[in-house]
Amino acid sequence: RKEVEQDPGPFNVPEGATVAFNCTYSNSASQSFFWYRQDCRKEPKLLMSVYSSGNEDGRFTAQLNRASQYISLLIRDSKLSDSATYLCAVNTRSSGANNLFFGTGTRLTVIP
Amino acid sequence: DGGITQSPKYLFRKEGQNVTLSCEQNLNHDAMYWYRQDPGQGLRLIYYSQIVNDFQKGDIAEGYSVSREKKESFPLTVTSAQKNPTAFYLCASSVDRGYGYTFGSGTRLTVV
Repeated sequence: RKEVEQDPGPFNVPEGATVAFNCTYSNSASQSFFWYRQDCRKEPKLLMSVYSSGNEDGRFTAQLNRASQYISLLIRDSKLSDSATYLCAVNTRSSGANNLFFGTGTRLTVIP
Repeated sequence: DGGITQSPKYLFRKEGQNVTLSCEQNLNHDAMYWYRQDPGQGLRLIYYSQIVNDFQKGDIAEGYSVSREKKESFPLTVTSAQKNPTAFYLCASSVDRGYGYTFGSGTRLTVV
């Protein structure tokens, strides 16, 4: 079983739509959670950390559900510039290392 | 500005040749990582280092080697033993456990 799993998509949504991605993780001891954005042929960039209480940054909302072992990312009022691949990352501490496991990413295309 | 610099951006390797990918950071981060990204497979951990003069194998270390002689530098050598080296290689660093990674802009390696 993979450490982190995501629906690869693609998600094709019209401008202005609300879209949500989920990401499940297998290790119940995981402690840190992140969403990254990766544009085509570029490096991943940290979009937001995911806190236990949930957190919001403008049009983006991230939530953590420890009981069901998943994190989610909600994008409201989608813009053309939101088109990218969204990667979730989960820290599974092993031997003190801060090793992140990444999902394969969910591809989003926002259509005019 | 602080950041991670990877070079070269593009690299072509002949069969049987060793090549070294450079990764330098001026973020004063202790931990550094090398990932490989193939289409549809997400990020896979090759090696990581938590402190100078120490490094650990990741999930796919075979055919690769690293060194960590300075805090700022974590070069990756792709040896001739790596049978399928064509991929996008990403270097990352982090300040501590619980923090996300900062990535370099990556090196695209192609075997010719």
